[in-house]
Amino acid sequence: EIVMTQSPATLSVSPGERATLSCRASQSVSSNLAWYQQRPGQAPRLLIYGAFTRATGIPARFSGSGSGTEFTLTISSLQSEDSAIYYCQQYDNWPPWTFGQGTKVEVK
Amino acid sequence: QVHLVESGGGVVQPGRSLRLSCAASGFAFAGYDMHWVRQAPGRGLEWVAVISIDGSNKYHADPVKGRFTISRDNSKNTLFLQMNSLRSDDTAVYYCARRADYLDYWGQGTLVTVSS
Repeated sequence: EIVMTQSPATLSVSPGERATLSCRASQSVSSNLAWYQQRPGQAPRLLIYGAFTRATGIPARFSGSGSGTEFTLTISSLQSEDSAIYYCQQYDNWPPWTFGQGTKVEVK
Repeated sequence: QVHLVESGGGVVQPGRSLRLSCAASGFAFAGYDMHWVRQAPGRGLEWVAVISIDGSNKYHADPVKGRFTISRDNSKNTLFLQMNSLRSDDTAVYYCARRADYLDYWGQGTLVTVSS
């Protein structure tokens, strides 16, 4: 089973500033990596797939990078509605499909 | 537009059974693999099960293997999760989600509480 590890656990950023979230896989997942946003009380929403492709309707301030075992989600100019927990997920080697434990982003 | 609506959750005693449903609309349901993913209170996302487009292939996570069974009825655009021998650690919001690899659409979830 591939273990996904996210860091940091919590990130507190001022509005308009950049937020950088990391995700590490225990073995290579190539570019088969997705990012999800989960706002409080809501279902997860797909942000990024294929490590860097934005899903339909996702603002350009969200970008993904990386391949192999190291991945990054960047929110270039944080807005209040970006307060949420962000999860990475690998779909390279399954079953199981595995998620990271999440990074909570707080807007100061 | 794509719409996934889960139902069937509730409070159930340990050892009992429950069947969840996920009604799909707005897309060709029979053309997509479908997943169940759960989230325990205050915890992260945990993959539960997946089923192929025609139901011929199914995979279940180790914690639920032998107790839960995923199935689908393409004629009714509905996904199911039969949950038997429920335990307290099965308490979670259960989401259905679309696609084989990354999960592009999710339902709003249904809460299952296992408690005596």
